[in-house]
Amino acid sequence: SQQGEEDPQALSIQEGENATMNCSYKTSINNLQWYRQNSGRGLVHLILIRSNEREKHSGRLRVTLDTSKKSSSLLITASRAADTASYFCAINTGGFKTIFGAGTRLFVKA
Amino acid sequence: DAGITQSPRHKVTETGTPVTLRCHQTENHRYMYWYRQDPGHGLRLIHYSYGVKDTDKGEVSDGYSVSRSKTEDFLLTLESATSSQTSVYFCAISESMRSSYNSPLHFGNGTRLTVT
Repeated sequence: SQQGEEDPQALSIQEGENATMNCSYKTSINNLQWYRQNSGRGLVHLILIRSNEREKHSGRLRVTLDTSKKSSSLLITASRAADTASYFCAINTGGFKTIFGAGTRLFVKA
Repeated sequence: DAGITQSPRHKVTETGTPVTLRCHQTENHRYMYWYRQDPGHGLRLIHYSYGVKDTDKGEVSDGYSVSRSKTEDFLLTLESATSSQTSVYFCAISESMRSSYNSPLHFGNGTRLTVT
């Protein structure tokens, strides 16, 4: 399968701690994207990182990409209860299709 | 929610009946997509559209058809619903494919379909 695979499947941390989620994939990519999904809602785009980029930041989010290892990580610093959600990585290999992984469920305890 | 409306939000239907889900956007984006979300599978692409009357199949297109007669509307039809099509269906839009790097997807809030 070309899809990204997130690790871990579920993560429970205390408020204020950092959360790290990983994504691995099997093919060459144009870009890799991270999305958040709150319960009962659609996915919300967080960060897009291109294949020639190694790191991107957005507020408390940091995404790294290692194309040699075909992997990416999403770091959420100083987690808040409101960060509780499912997080998905998605890859684009060219063209119209964006392929999603199964997601990581993050629970941040207040 | 990026001006995307999905209707209905919830639907229960019987096996063998036709079902049409609607996605309406107010962003004038060219590209529209239908995904289904099932536990353990993430989101899987059903069909997508790259312009009015221009559509193509995704990875799980069997049993589904789509139509796009206007930029703002993308319809997903289950000709004869089956229990395996019980799922949450998401519509998404994206802005530009001009370069080799996609614009991100913007999603609606989904339609929960139950086929009994």
